[in-house]
Amino acid sequence: EVQLVESGGDLVQPGGSLRLSCAASGFTFSSYWMSWVRQAPGKGLEWVANIKEDGIGTYYVDSVKGRFTVSRDNAKKSLYLDLNSPRAEDTGVYYCARGGAPGTADYWGQGTHVTVSS
Amino acid sequence: DVVMTQSPLSLPVTLGQPASISCRSNQSLVHSSGNTFLNWFQQRPGQSPRRLIYKVSDRDSGVPDRFSGSGSGTDFTLRISRVEADDVGVFYCMQGTHWPWTFGQGTKVEIK
Repeated sequence: EVQLVESGGDLVQPGGSLRLSCAASGFTFSSYWMSWVRQAPGKGLEWVANIKEDGIGTYYVDSVKGRFTVSRDNAKKSLYLDLNSPRAEDTGVYYCARGGAPGTADYWGQGTHVTVSS
Repeated sequence: DVVMTQSPLSLPVTLGQPASISCRSNQSLVHSSGNTFLNWFQQRPGQSPRRLIYKVSDRDSGVPDRFSGSGSGTDFTLRISRVEADDVGVFYCMQGTHWPWTFGQGTKVEIK
């Protein structure tokens, strides 16, 4: 059974830093693209970042480019998102998702909450 | 960025009746590969999104055949043939053809 379990969400001050993690199980992690998607409180979904199977290719939405870094450790079957200099508008639930095929994500985690506030 | 526009944004439906959600993009979603990466997701209250449909009309395993997707180019539709109580939630279309991938605003389906 495919499982994605996010962790690391917390209250963080504007300008601080936070690392989100996603532990994968039930599939060959190193064979799949992975993604981070977020949802602000009471709002819709926003795709944040993608990372290729080998971790070399990464893609970011403009609003987080230069501030967030997506990475992965295939040996540990883990995906990460480093939030640097977060802003209040980065507050929300962050979901880890598996890219089952081009242009999509087939399995999602339960999400981890990030609150950016002083 | 590709803008995805859904309508309606709120859809009160009667149990057992059909329902339809429209999704339009401001540019073609046909990829250079020839595929069209248009997805539909359902988010039930308090839950993570769940994919229902990918590549316009391919239904995910375990998704009831009451759900169907259609369309091409810039104009797409999700249809529910007979709404059941379990279908309440917010439905999102999402394009994975052009980066950044983008979602529609969401359509909230509720039972009358």
